[in-house]
Amino acid sequence: GAGVSQSPSNKVTEKGKDVELRCDPISGHTALYWYRQSLGQGLEFLIYFQGNSAPDKSGLPSDRFSAERTGGSVSTLTIQRTQQEDSAVYLCASTPSTALPGELFFGEGSRLTVL
Amino acid sequence: DAKTTQPNSMESNEEEPVHLPCNHSTISGTDYIHWYRQLPSQGPEYVIHGLTSNVNNRMASLAIAEDRKSSTLILHRATLRDAAVYYCILRRGTGGFKTIFGAGTRLFVKA
Repeated sequence: GAGVSQSPSNKVTEKGKDVELRCDPISGHTALYWYRQSLGQGLEFLIYFQGNSAPDKSGLPSDRFSAERTGGSVSTLTIQRTQQEDSAVYLCASTPSTALPGELFFGEGSRLTVL
Repeated sequence: DAKTTQPNSMESNEEEPVHLPCNHSTISGTDYIHWYRQLPSQGPEYVIHGLTSNVNNRMASLAIAEDRKSSTLILHRATLRDAAVYYCILRRGTGGFKTIFGAGTRLFVKA
């Protein structure tokens, strides 16, 4: 597809389980962002990837959260030992360049529910 | 990181213009002002961005203060479909950067 694709769109898991959320950015986009949005709240920055540079992980809330980006394209956000407070929509965005701050293209998000 | 402040909510009547304000007093010279909106159950979508001059596109207009410490998103004729959360953010023009979103302004449109 032409847009940012995220999967799964919905995930229900039990407390303590690990989950993986996937983001396929728009082809050729060098920058990729992950955000978390709790119910009724704004977007909370988690992590940012730019090309082959070291990612900016300053927004990850705990060491249970990690993310990787393979081959400069697909990214996976992993949450280990999930907790109920991890329940949220996880949004991925990509942008084509850092030469100019072009628009961010968002996916539809992955809704995570931890029981 | 530069921050923005917006009113929590605003209300408008359908077919009337809407002016959504944003303050960004700590903006740096390389920061671009972006606006996004988020419809219910969707990811945010780009609306408009600018640096110093006012900007117009098919969705909206962006008015930027001369000192760049504030800006206003203008929807010329609000429709019910414009009911959304509107985010004003700053994106740096050089180097790698993370992009921080605030809480945004929830716009209610009355028929």
